[in-house]
Amino acid sequence: KAGVTQTPRYLIKTRGQQVTLSCSPISGHRSVSWYQQTPGQGLQFLFEYFSETQRNKGNFPGRFSGRQFSNSRSEMNVSTLELGDSALYLCASSLTQGDKNIQYFGAGTRLSVL
Amino acid sequence: AQSVTQLGSHVSVSEGALVLLRCNYSSSVPPYLFWYVQYPNQGLQLLLKYTTGATLVKGINGFEAEFKKSETSFHLTKPSAHMSDAAEYFCAVSGGQGGGFKTIFGAGTRLFVKA
Repeated sequence: KAGVTQTPRYLIKTRGQQVTLSCSPISGHRSVSWYQQTPGQGLQFLFEYFSETQRNKGNFPGRFSGRQFSNSRSEMNVSTLELGDSALYLCASSLTQGDKNIQYFGAGTRLSVL
Repeated sequence: AQSVTQLGSHVSVSEGALVLLRCNYSSSVPPYLFWYVQYPNQGLQLLLKYTTGATLVKGINGFEAEFKKSETSFHLTKPSAHMSDAAEYFCAVSGGQGGGFKTIFGAGTRLFVKA
């Protein structure tokens, strides 16, 4: 069974641009979560989607948004990019929503904002 | 609110020595606890998890962790370190959000293994 796939793996953007990252969960998984990982802040939760609905959200500005499609694939969008948005963005999927479900992570998208 | 504290951002051990990575958590509800490992340029991989039941949990690659409620700890151990264990390790807690869940990760501990 294929794992969580994130595209693209690497991305370079300039300040003020917007970017869309994609995540394809493991087949059958309906929950997708997004995280931002930086050396200074560690892993920070962005949001979680389940059956196309955002069920939980972290403390990020409105420039960060996401959506989930009927096939459970998810996209994350960041508008008006800032230098501080440079990070590894990780997507994780799990079978159902729920605290004790194991999350399976993709390899991430490394975003560099110049 | 939940939180996770990993003691020591860097831990160095010799090959064959005991590995001990410390994790303390805070949770107002019975927690679900996880340890993940991250190798360079990769995502996180689950090592082990505790939900309910036996407090000593065994995971992959010879790792285990013990849930101690009285100490609010979930330390990760491995009797004998191997060079391939060099990676970053994250302790995480989740629980009780109701209608969606949010996992809180610790800051991570980078494990170095010396030959």
